[in-house]
Amino acid sequence: AQSVTQLDSQVPVFEEAPVELRCNYSSSVSVYLFWYVQYPNQGLQLLLKYLSGSTLVKGINGFEAEFNKSQTSFHLRKPSVHISDTAEYFCAVSGVKDSGAGSYQLTFGKGTKLSVIP
Amino acid sequence: DGGITQSPKYLFRKEGQNVTLSCEQNLNHDAMYWYRQDPGQGLRLIYYSQIVNDFQKGDIAEGYSVSREKKESFPLTVTSAQKNPTAFYLCASSVGTSLRGYTFGSGTRLTVV
Repeated sequence: AQSVTQLDSQVPVFEEAPVELRCNYSSSVSVYLFWYVQYPNQGLQLLLKYLSGSTLVKGINGFEAEFNKSQTSFHLRKPSVHISDTAEYFCAVSGVKDSGAGSYQLTFGKGTKLSVIP
Repeated sequence: DGGITQSPKYLFRKEGQNVTLSCEQNLNHDAMYWYRQDPGQGLRLIYYSQIVNDFQKGDIAEGYSVSREKKESFPLTVTSAQKNPTAFYLCASSVGTSLRGYTFGSGTRLTVV
């Protein structure tokens, strides 16, 4: 079984300031990790994902995340936020099968609402 | 362009009525999923299907039913047995396993009055 904890339910930040959205996971097996963004009344859009290799992953819209296995974390960062980054962000984890493929299911955190203040 | 289409975007129903939410994809994805989203609770899995004519219950399947007669379609019926059906419902699909993540539809907001 696996679980995801997003430590902050809401994060307010001023425009052009840096932001970090925190995500911790627990799993008894190797994992794949994902960050999604959701704008109001819309579906979720994939921001970035970690499958293997470099622990620093770059995604769309200037976001990046770092996989830290020892701390079981996958925090999302952006050096300078824009008003258009106001949205809800979801961290998700998938277990890895013995074959190396992911399982069918993603487990999602409860989300972090990022509010960018002009 | 390929994608997932959920319809309708907004749906109003009277208490005690069954209602069916549509989800269609043209991505040739094998697996499809239904999630329910409530404020502050994240996404909760209702049902998922890995192949045609087969589906499994998720964490909150009570009061819901699904079918998977075609690869492209995975409709969700919210029955009168669902005690609190007002929510935002999201459909998603994936190639097979979650390796590439999911593709989501734009959601259906169901309000029961």
